[in-house]
Amino acid sequence: QVQLVESGGGVVQPGRSLRLSCAASGFTFSRSAMHWVRQAPGKGLEWVAVISYDGSTKYYADSVKGRFTISRDNSSNTLWVHMNSLRVEDTAVYYCARGISGSNYGMDVWGQGTTVTVSS
Amino acid sequence: SYELTQPPSVSVSPGQTARITCSGDALPKLYTYWYQQKPGQAPVLLIYKDTERPSGIPERFSGSSSGTTITLTISGVQAEDEADFYCQSGDSSGTLVIFGGGTKLTVL
Repeated sequence: QVQLVESGGGVVQPGRSLRLSCAASGFTFSRSAMHWVRQAPGKGLEWVAVISYDGSTKYYADSVKGRFTISRDNSSNTLWVHMNSLRVEDTAVYYCARGISGSNYGMDVWGQGTTVTVSS
Repeated sequence: SYELTQPPSVSVSPGQTARITCSGDALPKLYTYWYQQKPGQAPVLLIYKDTERPSGIPERFSGSSSGTTITLTISGVQAEDEADFYCQSGDSSGTLVIFGGGTKLTVL
């Protein structure tokens, strides 16, 4: 079945780096745009970044631009987000999500999320 | 910055109809999506392209649009529908994805 599994979350000090992974299965990963979305404790959803099906186009939320980098490897069906210069306000559950075909925004499959805690 | 505005909460009794609105200046030009999120779970796509329902989503969930407001309607609300609901669209540049602040649906 279609599945996304995130990993790599944990506790990290402010200013440090962390890389999250998302393993995709059950669909043709190389044909889908992919997103990262986060949710701070008790807060709403916040879009983080999107990467096109071939990795050629990437967009970022202003809150992470210049600090986070989204990337993918279609040969291994894996999506990543590399997070640098982490801040306390980056603490959240991070979800990867599949972009809906033909849509710039919609997401039709979500992983269960991985938790990132930025704390000294 | 561009925003999508939702009411923080909506309450209805079982069997009644719940309507959750989402307002944004660019909505007439861009598709909107709706997601349901239950506590401790990942979001689930409910409605795409304003009015379309993915397979497996009950017919009691529907979407409509009028000008700068998009509405998610839940007919015959059930206790299991209690959740947070988020609308989503993009900005006019096509480079940013925007979520509304979310609406907590309480089934009385």
